[in-house]
Amino acid sequence: AQSVAQPEDQVNVAEGNPLTVKCTYSVSGNPYLFWYVQYPNRGLQFLLKYITGDNLVKGSYGFEAEFNKSQTSFHLKKPSALVSDSALYFCAVRYGAGSYQLTFGKGTKLSVIP
Amino acid sequence: ETGVTQTPRHLVMGMTNKKSLKCEQHLGHNAMYWYKQSAKKPLELMFVYSLEERVENNSVPSRFSPECPNSSHLFLHLHTLQPEDSALYLCASSLSRGLDEQYFGPGTRLTVT
Repeated sequence: AQSVAQPEDQVNVAEGNPLTVKCTYSVSGNPYLFWYVQYPNRGLQFLLKYITGDNLVKGSYGFEAEFNKSQTSFHLKKPSALVSDSALYFCAVRYGAGSYQLTFGKGTKLSVIP
Repeated sequence: ETGVTQTPRHLVMGMTNKKSLKCEQHLGHNAMYWYKQSAKKPLELMFVYSLEERVENNSVPSRFSPECPNSSHLFLHLHTLQPEDSALYLCASSLSRGLDEQYFGPGTRLTVT
């Protein structure tokens, strides 16, 4: 079964420091990987996705993620955290271009401390 | 704004009530989704419609009944719900499937009393 794991329930980082939110996926075919962010009382917003090609993917709000096939990981990163980045982050995986099924991780709460 | 709207934003209903959630997308997408988001649990995909045809139904109890009258509108009809159905219900849409990202509405916070 397809799945993703977000090993950290919460990540705390000081404003201006680099941040990393971790995600690993189960190995089954060619994964399509996504990151979403959810602010309080809002729906999920798409940040970035990996389909194929360059392993480093750049997305919205200065975020990027690196697809690492050998480690089955797709960690989300940002060089300098902002207080406004504080939110809930979800990694998601889909297998197969014809699939509608998007499987989400449990989410990681990011807190950026001023 | 993501181009996906949901009404109402908040709903409190008794276990014997019947209510409906509405979702509308203004993006020209062909697929629409209902998700359930409960505290400390991953998002659960409930239903998927593609071009108004239901293509996935993930073992959802029959007290939840979806309806997709056209590619822009999606409803979730609720009846005789249980307190454990209290959650945030999210609607999403995508251009197609597979490679396309999904765009989410703000959700309906449902409380069943």
